[in-house]
Amino acid sequence: AQRVTQPEKLLSVFKGAPVELKCNYSYSGSPELFWYVQYSRQRLQLLLRHISRESIKGFTADLNKGETSFHLKKPFAQEEDSAMYYCALSGWETSGSRLTFGEGTQLTVNP
Amino acid sequence: NAGVTQTPKFQVLKTGQSMTLQCAQDMNHNSMYWYRQDPGMGLRLIYYSASEGTTDKGEVPNGYNVSRLNKREFSLRLESAAPSQTSVYFCASSEVGRSYGYTFGSGTRLTVV
Repeated sequence: AQRVTQPEKLLSVFKGAPVELKCNYSYSGSPELFWYVQYSRQRLQLLLRHISRESIKGFTADLNKGETSFHLKKPFAQEEDSAMYYCALSGWETSGSRLTFGEGTQLTVNP
Repeated sequence: NAGVTQTPKFQVLKTGQSMTLQCAQDMNHNSMYWYRQDPGMGLRLIYYSASEGTTDKGEVPNGYNVSRLNKREFSLRLESAAPSQTSVYFCASSEVGRSYGYTFGSGTRLTVV
């Protein structure tokens, strides 16, 4: 079974401060991990995926297989970063792959 | 590009009524999914279709049925709506393979009274 845990439901920081959104996973195989972002009442958008090792909007995330974590980081938060963030894991089932999402973290960046 | 289109955007149902949520994608994706989003619970998979002609149950399938009408369309039906089905429903599609991630629709906000 695959599981994703985001321990913080709410996270509040000030503009310009560093931010880290935590994500831990459990999966017996080799995981594929993603971060999705949802701005207020909009659709979910793919923010980044670990396999591409890209940085989007200043966010980065590193897969740590030893700690089974995929934390999302940004050195200087901006007000427009306020949103709901979901960590997701893609496992492989006999009928195909599917994403399992964490519970989400609501990030608020205060001026 | 339209991407993934869901209809309707909003719906209010009375307990016991039925309805179908429609989803269509124009990206030629093989796989399609239905999720529900509830506060504090993240997104939970209701049903998915790995390819045209196949459907499988997800984490919370009770009270729902699906139809993969063709490669483009994947509908979700509530036969007898219950207040516990009040939620935001998202449809998504993806390429075959784990690395691509999903493209989501804009969601349907459903209230059952």
